[in-house]
Amino acid sequence: EAQVTQNPRYLITVTGKKLTVTCSQNMNHEYMSWYRQDPGLGLRQIYYSMNVEVTDKGDVPEGYKVSRKEKRNFPLILESPSPNQTSLYFCASSRSLAGVSDTQYFGPGTRLTVL
Amino acid sequence: DAKTTQPPSMDCAEGRAANLPCNHSTISGNEYVYWYRQIHSQGPQYIIHGLKNNETNEMASLIITEDRKSSTLILPHATLRDTAVYYCIVRHYGQNFVFGPGTRLSVLP
Repeated sequence: EAQVTQNPRYLITVTGKKLTVTCSQNMNHEYMSWYRQDPGLGLRQIYYSMNVEVTDKGDVPEGYKVSRKEKRNFPLILESPSPNQTSLYFCASSRSLAGVSDTQYFGPGTRLTVL
Repeated sequence: DAKTTQPPSMDCAEGRAANLPCNHSTISGNEYVYWYRQIHSQGPQYIIHGLKNNETNEMASLIITEDRKSSTLILPHATLRDTAVYYCIVRHYGQNFVFGPGTRLSVLP
């Protein structure tokens, strides 16, 4: 089954404790992206990757890092989480960004709470 | 910034057609209209997209006005499971998807 998986689905952590949220897709997609969703603010893009070893900042990249060493994986790293990073996070992938029919597939979400 | 305007919320009776409007008056000639929906806090799900012709798939129909300044997503027979936030997105190929606040559709029994 074609899917985007994220782990963990729920995470409660404390300020300053480094964490990684994993994202993996099995569709051989080139494009992957991370979003955060907060009440009243909608979905905002954090980082995206056009292909392996190619990443770029989205609208709200501060406090986050990403890497794209393999095509299927796109982990989101919070080196020193803070309470304002408490949010619902979504990973997405698509075949590319260039095609008009290259729609995005989203993962199930990771609900992160930083105390 | 989102290039679309949608009503914040709508209600629809179960079994009736749900017509969700979207205004995109500044759309350019090579920008497409996409619709996604998000059920509760699940990941958004693609519904349909189009350029200028009306489109239909197993989920919905997309009607784009001749001047392309607005469009309507039609769910022909809404069910309770269609209750969700619906996002209308205008995008040129090669651009990232930008999600606005969307329309919260409540399908009522």
